[in-house]
Amino acid sequence: NAGVMQNPRHLVRRRGQEARLRCSPMKGHSHVYWYRQLPEEGLKFMVYLQKENIIDESGMPKERFSAEFPKEGPSILRIQQVVRGDSAAYFCASSENQGINQPQHFGDGTRLSIL
Amino acid sequence: DAKTTQPNSMESNEEEPVHLPCNHSTISGTDYIHWYRQLPSQGPEYVIHGLTSNVNNRMASLAIAEDRKSSTLILHRATLRDAAVYYCILLYSGGGADGLTFGKGTHLIIQP
Repeated sequence: NAGVMQNPRHLVRRRGQEARLRCSPMKGHSHVYWYRQLPEEGLKFMVYLQKENIIDESGMPKERFSAEFPKEGPSILRIQQVVRGDSAAYFCASSENQGINQPQHFGDGTRLSIL
Repeated sequence: DAKTTQPNSMESNEEEPVHLPCNHSTISGTDYIHWYRQLPSQGPEYVIHGLTSNVNNRMASLAIAEDRKSSTLILHRATLRDAAVYYCILLYSGGGADGLTFGKGTHLIIQP
């Protein structure tokens, strides 16, 4: 099953540490999206990337958060100097093409807990 | 931005059809209607999408009103595995990004 793979499934960090979340899109997909779901809240779009390019990062916090999707390898969401408020489920999705008629296929997420 | 309105929750019995409504009265002509669902402790799952005509796939059917101001997701024969939060989402052209905007959705409860 070549679905969207996210790892780790669970990640525990202490305040001030760095968190790196990885996402391998479905085979043949070159468009990746990251979403965050805070406890008891809905999913919020963070960033949209194509290979080596950030297309839209309008939902990304301005500080401490960054994302990349290199030519080779998975997409990475990086959170520096984590704080308690970063505790959430982070979901990655991929699509084959860009466009408003394209389905997005999601992974099962990384649950980040900050101690 | 075009917004959607869904009931907070609905309940249905196993093996019966389920009709999940969505209102989108401010939809514009080129907006696509997408449905996703999220089972507990899982990522969202694409269900179906359409523009003007009704659509069918192996998971569900999408019935779109003639004026496009509302749509209905139809699960033909609900199973316990269909218990999830269902999201009706509009994607509009010219919006730049194709990030999905999730609302609160409809929490579907299936009774055995």
